[in-house]
Amino acid sequence: QKEVEQDPGPLSVPEGAIVSLNCTYSNSAFQYFMWYRQYSRKGPELLMYTYSSGNKEDGRFTAQVDKSSKYISLFIRDSQPSDSATYLCAMGFQKLVFGTGTRLLVSP
Amino acid sequence: DVKVTQSSRYLVKRTGEKVFLECVQDMDHENMFWYRQDPGLGLRLIYFSYDVKMKEKGDIPEGYSVSREKKERFSLILESASTNQTSMYLCASNGRDSGETQYFGPGTRLLVL
Repeated sequence: QKEVEQDPGPLSVPEGAIVSLNCTYSNSAFQYFMWYRQYSRKGPELLMYTYSSGNKEDGRFTAQVDKSSKYISLFIRDSQPSDSATYLCAMGFQKLVFGTGTRLLVSP
Repeated sequence: DVKVTQSSRYLVKRTGEKVFLECVQDMDHENMFWYRQDPGLGLRLIYFSYDVKMKEKGDIPEGYSVSREKKERFSLILESASTNQTSMYLCASNGRDSGETQYFGPGTRLLVL
């Protein structure tokens, strides 16, 4: 079993939809949780960072961490075609472990 | 603004060649990392370094070595390239000011023929 599981997608939605991206993990020691966005043929860029449990909001993006269920989510409101990318979850304690990424396609 | 740069965006090499991938960061970060990214496998850690001249093996170090002679520069070396090393290589860094958050370079897409 992988330490971090992430549905690879692709997830196709129309413009304006609410998108939910999720990861599950097995290591209860993880304290830091991040979401990265990666456009095609580019390096990942940090989107959201959360320490321990709770919610964090930044514009159209909300990150949620549920440590009791070992489950993290990224919500994107009013999705735009420019949100089309691969979204990677990452988490760790002293070293980051990455999910395989979910490819999101937002159609106009 | 954190900047991590990688020496090449695309490289084509032949089996058996020695390959050098260079990474430079301008944020005075202590830690630097090399990953490879493959479809369905995600990012896998090859090597990392916590300080100049320090190196630690990651999850898949076989066939690779690294060098960190200066704080801002971290090199990945493929001693004898093989076709199964065809991949996207990503460098990242972080430090005391960034916590666990890693900042990535644009990546080097390596093709070994």
